[in-house]
Amino acid sequence: DQQVKQNSPSLSVQEGRISILNCDYTNSMFDYFLWYKKYPAEGPTFLISISSIKDKNEDGRFTVFLNKSAKHLSLHIVPSQPGDSAVYFCAASASSGNQFYFGTGTSLTVIP
Amino acid sequence: NAGVMQNPRHLVRRRGQEARLRCSPMKGHSHVYWYRQLPEEGLKFMVYLQKENIIDESGMPKERFSAEFPKEGPSILRIQQVVRGDSAAYFCASSPQNTYGYTFGSGTRLTVV
Repeated sequence: DQQVKQNSPSLSVQEGRISILNCDYTNSMFDYFLWYKKYPAEGPTFLISISSIKDKNEDGRFTVFLNKSAKHLSLHIVPSQPGDSAVYFCAASASSGNQFYFGTGTSLTVIP
Repeated sequence: NAGVMQNPRHLVRRRGQEARLRCSPMKGHSHVYWYRQLPEEGLKFMVYLQKENIIDESGMPKERFSAEFPKEGPSILRIQQVVRGDSAAYFCASSPQNTYGYTFGSGTRLTVV
């Protein structure tokens, strides 16, 4: 049962434009969300997080938006750079739980 | 300040052999988590340990898999009598407290031939 879903396996964006990666979840108990970036043959690297008490968190070029009523979050990267090309995973956890639930990832390609 | 160290990076085992995967958490982190990533899938939780204790092993297969985090030394994920379906990337993460401040290692890629 996939509790966190990333329905777009891949996304291509021109350099300088905005990249929008989407993530949906089903468990209303989730209250903490993260985005990870992963390069081939490396472990996931933490990118940005958001807790359920907020609907937006910004860190430089990266902004995460959370819509609790829709159980949806998105990661905006602007402007996109070729070095952003990687697989992006969305993950969610409940404060009462011991684990993160990961989506299947979206492969972002930023075209120079 | 070294990150989460996993070794080996790559491990090849024949069917029926044992695989041992090691994870040294970041300094100051007492919580260790193991995740598995099968091809074309996201990371799936396996087990959560603190020193000398298994806190949550709800994601571990019931047979052949075991994990430990001894008082001294790294955390070990052990897979006995490996089968082809065990081929995957195994990632370890550590944190200073439960589910917050996760840092992942680079993973061990297990190939069963």
